[in-house]
Amino acid sequence: EAGVVQSPRYKIIEKKQPVAFWCNPISGHNTLYWYRQNLGQGPELLIRYENEEAVDDSQLPKDRFSAERLKGVDSTLKIQPAELGDSAVYLCASSGLTAYEQYFGPGTRLTVT
Amino acid sequence: GQSLEQPSEVTAVEGAIVQINCTYQTSGFYGLSWYQQHDGGAPTFLSYNALDGLEETGRFSSFLSRSDSYGYLLLQELQMKDSASYFCAGGATNKLIFGTGTLLAVQP
Repeated sequence: EAGVVQSPRYKIIEKKQPVAFWCNPISGHNTLYWYRQNLGQGPELLIRYENEEAVDDSQLPKDRFSAERLKGVDSTLKIQPAELGDSAVYLCASSGLTAYEQYFGPGTRLTVT
Repeated sequence: GQSLEQPSEVTAVEGAIVQINCTYQTSGFYGLSWYQQHDGGAPTFLSYNALDGLEETGRFSSFLSRSDSYGYLLLQELQMKDSASYFCAGGATNKLIFGTGTLLAVQP
């Protein structure tokens, strides 16, 4: 069974440029999460989807971040425009019936210069 | 607020036993999970405590005391491959809140 797939693995952009990350969760997992992880810290939830509905986006900086999961399967997270402070690893995770056991993708390491 | 605190670093020798503590201040937590993350890798699920007490999974055990808002991960027979960051995560309504993380260095 394939795990959570993310692309790209690495992205380097200049500030003020847009960037997008893609995630395909484990087949059958209805819940999808986007996290941001800064160096030396734990993952911080940005947004959680139940199927195609964003049920928790309280930590998403909505002035520059957006996300979608149109058909309840794969998802895209976008930043426009990027700022230097957005440099981090962006992790996607999915889960089945319980949130305590989540499956993470390899992440996208974003560097904003 | 909701926060989970862990020691930033722990060092141990191969073959030893190490305990990584997690204290939390939050309301509404229904359990405590533990994740392992190797450098540059994805967090992977290790264990979950829904109830007070000890859960054992091979060389790893996890403990939870709700009354003390405290838990720990116990790693036995340490191996070099156990060198990684370990995160506790509190289970809130349909989501996890991750702790600050503990970097475990296993020395030969």
